[in-house]
Amino acid sequence: DARVTQTPRDKVTEMGQEVTMRCQPILGHNTVFWYRQTMMQGLELLAYFRNRAPLDDSGMPKDRFSAEMPDATLATLKIQPSEPRDSAVYFCASGLVTGGAGNTGELFFGEGSRLTVL
Amino acid sequence: AQKITQTQPGMFVQEKEAVTLDCTYDTSDPSYGLFWYKQPSSGEMIFLIYQGSYDQQNATEGRYSLNFQKARKSANLVISASQLGDSAMYFCAMSLGSTLGRLYFGRGTQLTVWP
Repeated sequence: DARVTQTPRDKVTEMGQEVTMRCQPILGHNTVFWYRQTMMQGLELLAYFRNRAPLDDSGMPKDRFSAEMPDATLATLKIQPSEPRDSAVYFCASGLVTGGAGNTGELFFGEGSRLTVL
Repeated sequence: AQKITQTQPGMFVQEKEAVTLDCTYDTSDPSYGLFWYKQPSSGEMIFLIYQGSYDQQNATEGRYSLNFQKARKSANLVISASQLGDSAMYFCAMSLGSTLGRLYFGRGTQLTVWP
């Protein structure tokens, strides 16, 4: 049963520390997304990649966030330095997006990484 | 700007009854897709149902159906025969043909099913 895998599931850290979240997309999927979920803002898109190339990272605070896909099996989201306002659940999602007829562009989500910055 | 609106922060339904969760959308893109996701208290996002803008018939998946009214730009989710396990947050989302794959989410509706 293919699934998106995220680590860590839970992370508590202190303000100023570096945080790295990792995501293993479903094998064969060509598009990977990072979303952030908070009570105040709901689900926000941070960044996404197609065929490992960044397509849009306008949702990310550039001064402290960075997203990369070093290879097709790994996507990373790094926060340095972390701040209390970064506390949220971070979701990775992947999908096979072809644009062809019948391609729904359905995204499969990981279980999320819950980040708490004290 | 693309927009998804879910006007019901919370809904309550008795077990075995049907419930409709509202969703309206706004886009000028002629090609788009509409999705519903379920998020139980455990936190994962579960895909429920999809409707394409050119689909002629309303989508159905088991107890879930999508009431798609294109002229009104609405894509309501209907859950028939509610079960206690349906209690969760439900998100409506939209993807566009121009940015296929990227989902724009509504704020969600918290559904509570009571015995």
